[in-house]
Amino acid sequence: NAGVTQTPKFRVLKTGQSMTLLCAQDMNHEYMYWYRQDPGMGLRLIHYSVGEGTTAKGEVPDGYNVSRLKKQNFLLGLESAAPSQTSVYFCASSYAAGDYTFGSGTRLTVV
Amino acid sequence: GEDVEQSLFLSVREGDSSVINCTYTDSSSTYLYWYKQEPGAGLQLLTYIFSNMDMKQDQRLTVLLNKKDKHLSLRIADTQTGDSAIYFCAVMNRDDKIIFGKGTRLHILP
Repeated sequence: NAGVTQTPKFRVLKTGQSMTLLCAQDMNHEYMYWYRQDPGMGLRLIHYSVGEGTTAKGEVPDGYNVSRLKKQNFLLGLESAAPSQTSVYFCASSYAAGDYTFGSGTRLTVV
Repeated sequence: GEDVEQSLFLSVREGDSSVINCTYTDSSSTYLYWYKQEPGAGLQLLTYIFSNMDMKQDQRLTVLLNKKDKHLSLRIADTQTGDSAIYFCAVMNRDDKIIFGKGTRLHILP
């Protein structure tokens, strides 16, 4: 099925470990986004990309890096995980700056 | 920056209408959206409205936009147990980014 696929779905990290979350879309969308969702905070934009090879900071970029080497993939990296990064991470994509298609999320726990 | 506010919780009896309200601050918002998030899932676009419209109806859903008051509402007619979810109001700001509210959790009473 066409859509946005996130891997992994669940992960537990120890403080200081690193990991990469992968987002893949097969809709040829130009725009891709990474959000985190925390209780009572709604969705907060971490980083986004308006096309292959481009990235930009969102509302809460600190502690995260991203890369968009291929149009269909948007990677979110945590170099040194902290407990404050425990969250549910959502990737989304859109053709233009319009309606988003979301992935099903990655639940990350940092202990 | 743009701010989108909505109440966090709404409880409605099955069969009644649900009305979820949202206010926003950026009067230049061009597109306004309602997303639905079911437990353990990502957000799904439910409906959207252009800023030059006052109302949009799609089956059981009615979106009302009051641009003067910067107020958006989503009405769900004949609310069913399957409508139990978190509903996010979202607006496109002047930088073409979508800003989300914190979400309203809709609870259906039998």
